[in-house]
Amino acid sequence: SQQGEEDPQALSIQEGENATMNCSYKTSINNLQWYRQNSGRGLVHLILIRSNEREKHSGRLRVTLDTSKKSSSLLITASRAADTASYFCATASNAGNMLTFGGGTRLMVKP
Amino acid sequence: GAGVSQSPRYKVAKRGQDVALRCDPISGHVSLFWYQQALGQGPEFLTYFQNEAQLDKSGLPSDRFFAERPEGSVSTLKIQRTQQEDSAVYLCASSLGAGVGTDTQYFGPGTRLTVL
Repeated sequence: SQQGEEDPQALSIQEGENATMNCSYKTSINNLQWYRQNSGRGLVHLILIRSNEREKHSGRLRVTLDTSKKSSSLLITASRAADTASYFCATASNAGNMLTFGGGTRLMVKP
Repeated sequence: GAGVSQSPRYKVAKRGQDVALRCDPISGHVSLFWYQQALGQGPEFLTYFQNEAQLDKSGLPSDRFFAERPEGSVSTLKIQRTQQEDSAVYLCASSLGAGVGTDTQYFGPGTRLTVL
C-alpha cells in the first residue's frame, strides 16, 4: 500500500505560472524525495530533503517539509511546457531501505 | 556512464506463462531495488538486494514472484504462471551505497508487462 497521498491528483497551468504539489505521509521518516516521471519513462530524482531540514531549493524547485504535520510541498516556479510530467513524493524510513511512494500528481503545463 | 537499463521494454504474455525481466544496474552500485507500478499509481516496493544478498522481499505479492542477483550485478525478476493482475510496469533502481534511504536511487525505464 502507498505511504501517503499527493494533492492535487492532477494540475493544469499555463506556462510561466507556478505549480504547487503537496504530499502527506503516515509514518516517521529519514528523508523525503521528489521524483518526476515522463509518460512511458522511468523516474528521475529531483530533490531530497532530510527530516531535520525544513526547506530546500534546487534551481526552479523549492521543497518544504513539515514533520509535525507529516507533509511536504514541491513548488515549481516559472513553469515550462517541458515540466509536463507526473511528480511523486517518496519517503525513506530509518528502518527500511526502500522508498515508499505516493500516488503522484499529474502536471500539465500549457504553452 | 550508462544508466540503469532494463529489458525487454515491453512484454506481452498469455495468462499462465512464465516471464523473466532483466535489470542492468549502474556499474559498481551496491543496492538494487525492484518496484511494481500499476497504471496511474505510484511505484510499490517489491524487493531489495545488497550485492548478491536479497535482504528484503517483503513486497513480493505472491510466491509466483522470484528475484535473483547471483553475481551482485545483473538482476532478474521472474514471474511464474502470470495472472492478469500482474500487468504493470516493473521498475528497477540502483544506488551506490548500502541503500539506507539516503542514497539517490537511479531508475531504469521499466518493463511494461501486459498479461492477456
